[in-house]
Amino acid sequence: GAVVSQHPSRVICKSGTSVKIECRSLDFQATTMFWYRQFPKKSLMLMATSNEGSKATYEQGVEKDKFLINHASLTLSTLTVTSAHPEDSSFYICSASQSSYGYTFGSGTRLTVV
Amino acid sequence: AQTVTQSQPEMSVQEAETVTLSCTYDTSESDYYLFWYKQPPSRQMILVIRQEAYKQQNATENRFSVNFQKAAKSFSLKISDSQLGDAAMYFCAYRATGANSKLTFGKGITLSVRP
Repeated sequence: GAVVSQHPSRVICKSGTSVKIECRSLDFQATTMFWYRQFPKKSLMLMATSNEGSKATYEQGVEKDKFLINHASLTLSTLTVTSAHPEDSSFYICSASQSSYGYTFGSGTRLTVV
Repeated sequence: AQTVTQSQPEMSVQEAETVTLSCTYDTSESDYYLFWYKQPPSRQMILVIRQEAYKQQNATENRFSVNFQKAAKSFSLKISDSQLGDAAMYFCAYRATGANSKLTFGKGITLSVRP
């Protein structure tokens, strides 16, 4: 089945630094990937839709300059949290679709900003 | 805009018993997809079951089945013979039929299983 690999699984960074999270579709090509943020015991909040070869589409209220998304190939999308602050600490999840069957999710990244 | 509502934040079931998780949605589309995803403590999102709106037959996957009521815009998940490993958060989700359409999630429900 479709597999989406997400790295790192956990990252701790200092306030003011940037962190990059990678999302790879391992056995299929994904023209579109999605990035979510999730707080404990809460639902997934869509941040942006990542499109291969073009600019990402951000949801309302999500700062595009803070959450930089790059989708340079059909198998890789990256989310960079720039100038991270403690309030950016969260669980970030990516997903990609191989067909109308549904979306395959990465295993998530727990970001802690200290 | 499409919305998905899961009004029960928590439920509990005795091991080996049956439990039903509720979900309603709102859309003006006639064709779409509905999903139930499971998120265990590992936080990996796992697809449990999906339903195409044009199919009248309710989807079934082993111990998991849905009751899809299109006119009522209801999509409940029934878990039979509940197991300890079923304990997780469950999310109902909607997706339009367009290519690469986004998923709209409900708030989720936390299911606990009593041994």
